[in-house]
Amino acid sequence: QQQVKQSPQSLIVQKGGISIINCAYENTAFDYFPWYQQFPGKGPALLIAIRPDVSEKKEGRFTISFNKSAKQFSLHIMDSQPGDSATYFCAANYGGATNKLIFGTGTLLAVQP
Amino acid sequence: DGGITQSPKYLFRKEGQNVTLSCEQNLNHDAMYWYRQDPGQGLRLIYYSQIVNDFQKGDIAEGYSVSREKKESFPLTVTSAQKNPTAFYLCASSPSGMTAAFFGQGTRLTVV
Repeated sequence: QQQVKQSPQSLIVQKGGISIINCAYENTAFDYFPWYQQFPGKGPALLIAIRPDVSEKKEGRFTISFNKSAKQFSLHIMDSQPGDSATYFCAANYGGATNKLIFGTGTLLAVQP
Repeated sequence: DGGITQSPKYLFRKEGQNVTLSCEQNLNHDAMYWYRQDPGQGLRLIYYSQIVNDFQKGDIAEGYSVSREKKESFPLTVTSAQKNPTAFYLCASSPSGMTAAFFGQGTRLTVV
């Protein structure tokens, strides 16, 4: 019930292409869905986030698409660049008194020049 | 500069020893968190604290302990009871009403 399933585990994209990472959840109590970007040996950095009352959010080349009925959300990276090569984590916030994040298992993205 | 500082960056511990990881933030955030990261498993919550002098267990608290005596500090002790302590440990903080928005750079603990 509290799991967030993320796919694919790894992804190789050519420079200029679109990177798509998918996540799915079961618990309808989740109220906030952030994506994090992590470079090797560094802490994750909040990239973009969405609430379930919105179907899409765009910030620069990064877009979250959210399908509430299917309990799925995805990250799209347009015009992917070698500098985007990193591990991406989706997460879902279990709100209320607990207010904690449940993370997906991560996607290692490699953008080839 | 505002942010979260974790120290040390690398830590080696002998089996049977307790070790304390430091986490300090100057963002004036109310909530602080400790996560453990293992390859292929994402981040798992160890402990979190939403106010000073109060903290709650996360999903994998066994073998760990914390304190929150000051708003800016949330140290994590890895005790000898933790059976598999080798991992990358991440501290995070967030303003009240949000969740782990800002992460430190992590401490890599290795048991030798």
